[in-house]
Amino acid sequence: DVKVTQSSRYLVKRTGEKVFLECVQDMDHENMFWYRQDPGLGLRLIYFSYDVKMKEKGDIPEGYSVSREKKERFSLILESASTNQTSMYLCASSDAKNRAGEAFFGQGTRLTVV
Amino acid sequence: KQEVTQIPAALSVPEGENLVLNCSFTDSAIYNLQWFRQDPGKGLTSLLLIQSSQREQTSGRLNASLDKSSGRSTLYIAASQPGDSATYLCAVTSYDKVIFGPGTSLSVIP
Repeated sequence: DVKVTQSSRYLVKRTGEKVFLECVQDMDHENMFWYRQDPGLGLRLIYFSYDVKMKEKGDIPEGYSVSREKKERFSLILESASTNQTSMYLCASSDAKNRAGEAFFGQGTRLTVV
Repeated sequence: KQEVTQIPAALSVPEGENLVLNCSFTDSAIYNLQWFRQDPGKGLTSLLLIQSSQREQTSGRLNASLDKSSGRSTLYIAASQPGDSATYLCAVTSYDKVIFGPGTSLSVIP
């Protein structure tokens, strides 16, 4: 059974804290993605990575950074959390060798910044 | 820039009705189109994947079609049930990015 696992379902952090959201996939996929989902705005791409140590900005990268040290793990970092980063965060992966293949999603992390 | 839209934004139907959800995209250079279901507060569940060379896919009561040249896809749900109530999202894979529409919120009334 293929899996994308996000480290936390719910997270509460204080303004100014450094926050790490972790995502691990077990399908040997090259592509990994981080999205945030907000009511009325849908899913918006923050960053994606198509290989180890490679990263590309998505539509809303401001306030975020990412790390891909190993193929299976893609971390989203909030350097200094702010209340406007309260959101649902979703991680996904896909196979770069099969571009027409399916994207798989984790269960989501609901982050609240207080 | 690829943009994906979905109509309607919300839909409420009585149980047993057949219904159609619509998805449009602006750039026909896509590798695939996926339909997802999302329950409140949960992640995404993949329903159907249509590759760019395909015209439709079926799974149980669900049928999805793809017309790449016109930039449209439809998701047909037959004999709707209250358990089908959820948000339905379409997404296209375009230039290695997966780009989502805003979703259709479906409510099936018993």
